[in-house]
Amino acid sequence: DAGVTQSPTHLIKTRGQQVTLRCSPKSGHDTVSWYQQALGQGPQFIFQYYEEEERQRGNFPDRFSGHQFPNYSSELNVNALLLGDSALYLCASSLNPANTGELFFGEGSRLTVL
Amino acid sequence: QKEVEQNSGPLSVPEGAIASLNCTYSDRGSQSFFWYRQYSGKSPELIMSIYSNGDKEDGRFTAQLNKASQYVSLLIRDSQPSDSATYLCAVFTSGTYKYIFGTGTRLKVLA
Repeated sequence: DAGVTQSPTHLIKTRGQQVTLRCSPKSGHDTVSWYQQALGQGPQFIFQYYEEEERQRGNFPDRFSGHQFPNYSSELNVNALLLGDSALYLCASSLNPANTGELFFGEGSRLTVL
Repeated sequence: QKEVEQNSGPLSVPEGAIASLNCTYSDRGSQSFFWYRQYSGKSPELIMSIYSNGDKEDGRFTAQLNKASQYVSLLIRDSQPSDSATYLCAVFTSGTYKYIFGTGTRLKVLA
């Protein structure tokens, strides 16, 4: 049973660039959430996708955008990168946002902005 | 007030002792409560979930929930050095689909 997979695992960008992170949910899951985790902090909710729509959004600027595809995989895009965007980006999948809420996490994409 | 609050620690306990981790939350409409363990450089993994008031035991772990006090706790009995990690409290509200994490408590189990 394939778990949540994310790519790339590590990447380095410079300020002002754009980045796309990818996520494939656990088999059978239809909901994908993205989190940003800065060093020493808990995961901060960016947004959640269900049925190819953004269902809920946290306090992140419009530079952060996403997409969910018909096969439930998802992308996170960040434009005009800032130094403060350096973090571990976690994708989590679940079965329907109205379900128990249990999340399964991928290993994350570590973004460094120079 | 933060939506989910935890003491950042570190909480140091000797091997074999009971570790007690605490969490408070602000949304009275929250229905589901979770404890995740995160080793350094790794992603969070679910260790306990609790949905109703009282205690829930699973092996060496016991989760406790008090909705009136908006308080969740995790007890780890017979703590082992391998339990050394950051423990994240998470709260889910199905009406808003919000799944909020605390900042985590770093636990150190001393051999």
